Amino acid sequence: LAKTTQPISMDSYEGQEVNITCSHNNIATNDYITWYQQFPSQGPRFIIQGYKTKVTNEVASLFIPADRKSSTLSLPRVSLSDTAVYYCLVGDRGSGGYQKVTFGTGTKLQVIP
Amino acid sequence: NAGVTQTPKFRVLKTGQSMTLLCAQDMNHEYMYWYRQDPGMGLRLIHYSVGEGTTAKGEVPDGYNVSRLKKQNFLLGLESAAPSQTSVYFCASSFGWDSGANVLTFGAGSRLTVL
Repeated sequence: LAKTTQPISMDSYEGQEVNITCSHNNIATNDYITWYQQFPSQGPRFIIQGYKTKVTNEVASLFIPADRKSSTLSLPRVSLSDTAVYYCLVGDRGSGGYQKVTFGTGTKLQVIP
Repeated sequence: NAGVTQTPKFRVLKTGQSMTLLCAQDMNHEYMYWYRQDPGMGLRLIHYSVGEGTTAKGEVPDGYNVSRLKKQNFLLGLESAAPSQTSVYFCASSFGWDSGANVLTFGAGSRLTVL
C-alpha cells in the first residue's frame, strides 16, 4: 500500500509562495499523485494531479522528482482564502486490484495577514 | 449538473436506532466511496464500490453496511447507531480509470449525531 507523509501544519504570510512536500516511498509504477484542498465544513476539492516532472494549472503547481518518492505542491502568492487542509494521495490498490482511495492526515495551512 | 448529492444533510439519532444515508451522482461515475471525518481529523474510508452491484470494505467498515443497486446511487446504512458513529459523512465518486481513479468529486457532507 502506498502511504503518504506530510507535515501536520504550516503557517505562511499573505503574498508568499507556499510549498507543501509529501513523501510516498512505496508509490507504484502506475500510481498518479493527486492533491486535494478541504475548507472547514466542506468536502475535499481536487486541485491538481501528476505522474512525473511538473504540472501547472490556474491554482497550483506540482513538482515530482524522477524517483517519484515525493512530490511538492506549490501555491503561488497565497491569500487568506487559501487557509485549508491539503491532502496528498497516491493510488491504493484494494482487493481485486481495484483502487481504494485513502486519505492521510493532511497539512493544515494557516495563512496569516 | 448537480454532481454528488447527499441526503439528509443533518440527522440526530438515538443509540440503537437505524438509518440510511443516500448518495446520488449524475456524472456516470463508476466508482463511489463513503468516508467519515471526525472533528479535527482526516477522512477515513468506510466502504467503496467499483461498479453497480459491487461493494468492498475500506479502513473502518465495522457497524456500517452499503449497497449499490443502481450505478448512480450508493447507500450507507447504520443498523444500530452508536455514539462513536457521530461524525460527518462524505460521499465521493470517480470514473475509476488509472489516472482518473484518484480524481474524486465529493458531496457536501451529512452531519450525524448519535445521542
